[in-house]
Amino acid sequence: NAGVMQNPRHLVRRRGQEARLRCSPMKGHSHVYWYRQLPEEGLKFMVYLQKENIIDESGMPKERFSAEFPKEGPSILRIQQVVRGDSAAYFCASSPPATYEQYFGPGTRLTVT
Amino acid sequence: EDKVVQSPLSLVVHEGDTVTLNCSYEVTNFRSLLWYKQEKKAPTFLFMLTSSGIEKKSGRLSSILDKKELSSILNITATQTGDSAIYLCADTNFGNEKLTFGTGTRLTIIP
Repeated sequence: NAGVMQNPRHLVRRRGQEARLRCSPMKGHSHVYWYRQLPEEGLKFMVYLQKENIIDESGMPKERFSAEFPKEGPSILRIQQVVRGDSAAYFCASSPPATYEQYFGPGTRLTVT
Repeated sequence: EDKVVQSPLSLVVHEGDTVTLNCSYEVTNFRSLLWYKQEKKAPTFLFMLTSSGIEKKSGRLSSILDKKELSSILNITATQTGDSAIYLCADTNFGNEKLTFGTGTRLTIIP
């Protein structure tokens, strides 16, 4: 059973460009979470999704950030018009329904130049 | 808002020593406390503790939840260099699914 998969593992964007981060949950997991880890800081919750639904986006910046988890395909975290402060590691986690153990992917390290 | 505090921030010990890492939490309607190990990549799940499961053990690692003190400890016995990592704890509450993390304890094992 493959773990949570994220791609790309490293992404470099210039200021003003768009970043698209992908996450495929573990097989049988229907809940997806995105977290951000800024340099020298802890992991911070961003958004929680189930298929075709955003359940909790209380940790998402109000502008430029969006997330989706379509019926088919991976979950996407999209950052428009990136700025240097968006440079961070973005982790995706998944869990099966009715349990609260979240399993993390390897992360995408975004660098904005 | 949930708050999770870990101590110490960093710890350096010799191989073979036993270490205890601490985590305290403040949360309304507590549901669970989770421990993760983070090396240079993804946080790896270690344990989840709840009101109905306050003690867990796996090999040299064990963890206990103290519901009265709102805290948890992670013990590692006979440490090895491969135990060097950042250890994270996080809590959840009833009503939402998100994990609230502490800033972690950086553990370094010297051969």
